[in-house]
Amino acid sequence: DTEVTQTPKHLVMGMTNKKSLKCEQHMGHRAMYWYKQKAKKPPELMFVYSYEKLSINESVPSRFSPECPNSSLLNLHLHALQPEDSALYLCASSQLVGELFFGEGSRLTVL
Amino acid sequence: EDQVTQSPEALRLQEGESSSLNCSYTVSGLRGLFWYRQDPGKGPEFLFTLYSAGEEKEKERLKATLTKKESFLHITAPKPEDSATYLCAGYQGGSEKLVFGKGTKLTVNP
Repeated sequence: DTEVTQTPKHLVMGMTNKKSLKCEQHMGHRAMYWYKQKAKKPPELMFVYSYEKLSINESVPSRFSPECPNSSLLNLHLHALQPEDSALYLCASSQLVGELFFGEGSRLTVL
Repeated sequence: EDQVTQSPEALRLQEGESSSLNCSYTVSGLRGLFWYRQDPGKGPEFLFTLYSAGEEKEKERLKATLTKKESFLHITAPKPEDSATYLCAGYQGGSEKLVFGKGTKLTVNP
């Protein structure tokens, strides 16, 4: 199984809602990532978990809250988002640095 | 500031017309250079890792090469299904962070 599975594929939420994005990998990779991507821009790193511990937080606003319940799962909890947070949110996993396996992404629209 | 610059921003080719994409970097102490392919609305797909100048990697119609200052992605006899945005990323070590270029959007016309 070489897939990274993200749910939901699409999410529309209001600025007062609380929602979560989910990511799962079964490749036994040690690291999992959240990236944000706007149209026609490269992916922008948000968080990295290595061996289930948060190793990088790229100064992401607290309205985004990551969680790594176990080595296969990664969540991103969303609360009080702004319209400018609308983007494609990508989860990835890796065993070797730089060789990332990405999911198909969750397209988030904040109204 | 560490940077990865890709050129051209966009490239249109006819099917079978070979060409190259460029990725130049100013990442100090580069420890790895990575190429990805991204289709619209999808996550990037890992293609190649290059670690040292002179290294080459091949996969089907794609060949990636690395010098001390830049990397090239050579596309030989491309097909329409090679149309995608190609991203390169540099890694300088010390953390998991990659420095991505802005990508080259390749369109191959039949």
